[in-house]
Amino acid sequence: GNSVTQMEGPVTLSEEAFLTINCTYTATGYPSLFWYVQYPGEGLQLLLKATKADDKGSNKGFEATYRKETTSFHLEKGSVQVSDSAVYFCALTSGGYQKVTFGIGTKLQVIP
Amino acid sequence: KAGVTQTPRYLIKTRGQQVTLSCSPISGHRSVSWYQQTPGQGLQFLFEYFSETQRNKGNFPGRFSGRQFSNSRSEMNVSTLELGDSALYLCASSLSVGGPTEKLFFGSGTQLSVL
Repeated sequence: GNSVTQMEGPVTLSEEAFLTINCTYTATGYPSLFWYVQYPGEGLQLLLKATKADDKGSNKGFEATYRKETTSFHLEKGSVQVSDSAVYFCALTSGGYQKVTFGIGTKLQVIP
Repeated sequence: KAGVTQTPRYLIKTRGQQVTLSCSPISGHRSVSWYQQTPGQGLQFLFEYFSETQRNKGNFPGRFSGRQFSNSRSEMNVSTLELGDSALYLCASSLSVGGPTEKLFFGSGTQLSVL
């Protein structure tokens, strides 16, 4: 079956530090890949997505590249802010409509 | 445009009881899916409905069921509650015209505590 692996964290960074959250996946066929973010007290919201190999998704300074050869979709940001503190979920869909497989979620804490 | 609305926000039940959770999708969205979120297991897919039909189902026991009404509103029901059912239940909606690459819009969830 499909699965997504990411570190649980928490990851603690100072403001303006570089962020990488690793995500690897196992899926049949050609999955679409997503990063969702959950800010404190809010529902999940889509951060970025990529639907085919070598696509790069980007939003709000975050980027992730769909690497089929390494089955990875690592999230990066060059300079984090306190407002980026949240839980980040890597996810995929493959085959079925809207059946999303999520990773465990990585909690990011950015300190001033 | 109103977002995905889930009610109630919090629920406390005892073992053996049953519970019904409600989800109103964004206007015009026809697909509604449900997820269970726990600290240990993360987010796990329960089921997805489109035009009143269940299209996908996750690996949960038959105690978990759902339905969708003609106005796309959805309910999920959990019967014979167990302590392990304590979780945040999230509902998500989408247009679901383009298939599985579409963005999901999530509600804030219903926090269920089983005592």
